Amino acid sequence: AQTVTQSQPEMSVQEAETVTLSCTYDTSESNYYLFWYKQPPSRQMILVIRQEAYKQQNATENRFSVNFQKAAKSFSLKISDSQLGDTAMYFCATETSGSRLTFGEGTQLTVNP
Amino acid sequence: DTGVSQDPRHKITKRGQNVTFRCDPISEHNRLYWYRQTLGQGPEFLTYFQNEAQLEKSRLLSDRFSAERPKGSFSTLEIQRTEQGDSAMYLCASSPAEDEQYFGPGTRLTVT
Repeated sequence: AQTVTQSQPEMSVQEAETVTLSCTYDTSESNYYLFWYKQPPSRQMILVIRQEAYKQQNATENRFSVNFQKAAKSFSLKISDSQLGDTAMYFCATETSGSRLTFGEGTQLTVNP
Repeated sequence: DTGVSQDPRHKITKRGQNVTFRCDPISEHNRLYWYRQTLGQGPEFLTYFQNEAQLEKSRLLSDRFSAERPKGSFSTLEIQRTEQGDSAMYLCASSPAEDEQYFGPGTRLTVT
């Protein structure tokens, strides 16, 4: 079974600053994927970034990047130059090949002007 | 690409009634997933289909729940004899084989 833990229920950051959201996971699989999803107040889940576990290079998507530490089973999300539109609930998730997503409890991020 | 759609967006029902939700995936996606999300929590997996075959069901999916995807296109999720504990957001997602899942807007169910 897979488990995902997000230890920060809420975080806040000033506009234009950088914030890091933490995530740890546990899995017995050797081949898996990691994701960060964003759920704005409208509640439609949007993919932010994904990482294949076999890749050592950390994924980057514009202002979003991850710090993937496979041995520590850690997968944090860094948001640079935070914008008001980044305000949302962020979920860390794992997926083994072609199957279910297992989500963490979420971190509510608020970007303040 | 019109995205994943779900209908209805909101449903209020009385305890004991049956409800059915529909999900239309992105057209070329052969995998379809159902999740349930309660307030303040992450989504929990319910079941998933590859084409018309239901390949996995969670223990959360009690006998009162049934899902179908008859022609490998849209899917329905039915809850019989609803209980107050069924109140939640029901999310549908689709993916093309082994790839990221695209989520719909969800159906919010309130059981009174």
